[in-house]
Amino acid sequence: DQQVKQNSPSLSVQEGRISILNCDYTNSMFDYFLWYKKYPAEGPTFLISISSIKDKNEDGRFTVFLNKSAKHLSLHIVPSQPGDSAVYFCAASGATGTASKLTFGTGTRLQVTL
Amino acid sequence: DTGVSQDPRHKITKRGQNVTFRCDPISEHNRLYWYRQTLGQGPEFLTYFQNEAQLEKSRLLSDRFSAERPKGSFSTLEIQRTEQGDSAMYLCASSRHETEAFFGQGTRLTVV
Repeated sequence: DQQVKQNSPSLSVQEGRISILNCDYTNSMFDYFLWYKKYPAEGPTFLISISSIKDKNEDGRFTVFLNKSAKHLSLHIVPSQPGDSAVYFCAASGATGTASKLTFGTGTRLQVTL
Repeated sequence: DTGVSQDPRHKITKRGQNVTFRCDPISEHNRLYWYRQTLGQGPEFLTYFQNEAQLEKSRLLSDRFSAERPKGSFSTLEIQRTEQGDSAMYLCASSRHETEAFFGQGTRLTVV
């Protein structure tokens, strides 16, 4: 039972354009969401998070949007850069404001082309 | 480097052997987590410590797996009688109270 779903296994975007990565969840108890980036042979690196009391959080080129009624979140990267090429994981936690026991999606591989 | 450190980075072992992995979290972090990642999947939660107390274990953590955090600092994950299905990346993460978890580079286990 996949409680966090990333339905696009891969995405290719041209440098300078916007990358939009999507994530859906089924467990209504989730109230804290995170995005991680992972390069090959390395552990996931934290990017940005959002609490369920917000619908948007922005950090530089990265913005996360949360639509609680649709149980959907998205990560926008603007402008996309070649160094952004990696696998992006969406993760969710059921404990308010904490990062314990994360449930991850299966990841989306982003390729930013020149 | 003050990040999460895992040792070894790679481990190849024969089926049936025992293996032990070590994780050193970020020093001021009181929470420590173990995850496992297999090919094409996201990390899956295994277990979680707050200080030295193991507060939660996933049903993925069979009786052959044991984790410790004896003094609330570093942690070890031991797998006894390894099976080929144990081949995966074992990830350790740490966090301080209610903050995001920071991951180490992982230990890649191959059971042959």
